[in-house]
Amino acid sequence: EDKVVQSPLSLVVHEGDTVTLNCSYEVTNFRSLLWYKQEKKAPTFLFMLTSSGIEKKSGRLSSILDKKELFSILNITATQTGDSAVYLCAVGGDTDKLIFGTGTRLQVFP
Amino acid sequence: NAGVTQTPKFQVLKTGQSMTLQCAQDMNHNSMYWYRQDPGMGLRLIYYSASEGTTDKGEVPNGYNVSRLNKREFSLRLESAAPSQTSVYFCASSSSRVSYEQYFGPGTRLTVT
Repeated sequence: EDKVVQSPLSLVVHEGDTVTLNCSYEVTNFRSLLWYKQEKKAPTFLFMLTSSGIEKKSGRLSSILDKKELFSILNITATQTGDSAVYLCAVGGDTDKLIFGTGTRLQVFP
Repeated sequence: NAGVTQTPKFQVLKTGQSMTLQCAQDMNHNSMYWYRQDPGMGLRLIYYSASEGTTDKGEVPNGYNVSRLNKREFSLRLESAAPSQTSVYFCASSSSRVSYEQYFGPGTRLTVT
């Protein structure tokens, strides 16, 4: 059965800290891994990764994929209170469907 | 360009009542999806439609039906609501099988008493 596991379940940090969020997966015929940020409402897209070892970067956020070890990490440097959210990892395989993890809740305090 | 829109935003139903959640996208996407999100459970796929005229079951289809009315619209129907269907429902769309970037609507918070 396809599955996506995220860790930790939650994280509490202070502004300025660096955090690493983990996502491991078992999916038939992997095609892509996506990261989303969910604040109070709908998830918003952050990154899509399809190739191992190529870092995607957007400002203070970066992500990398390891297709051999079947995991990805999302790094956030110099965290701000606006980074507080649930971060979702999702993996696409053989079909149009994405399999979502349960998310990591990040709280950043001033 | 509104992206993905959903109506209603909130709804309270009594057990046994029926209702339809509406979703529309203006991005000319082929694929559309309905998810439910419950605390600690992440997003779970209810039904999806890979293209106009086709629908398929996802992970949790029981108690729901869908209609892909045209390329833009994808509705979710609860024929006889149950308290276990209390959840936040999200509609999403994506352009094709090649791209898995899904765009989400704002969600519908449904409570069944």
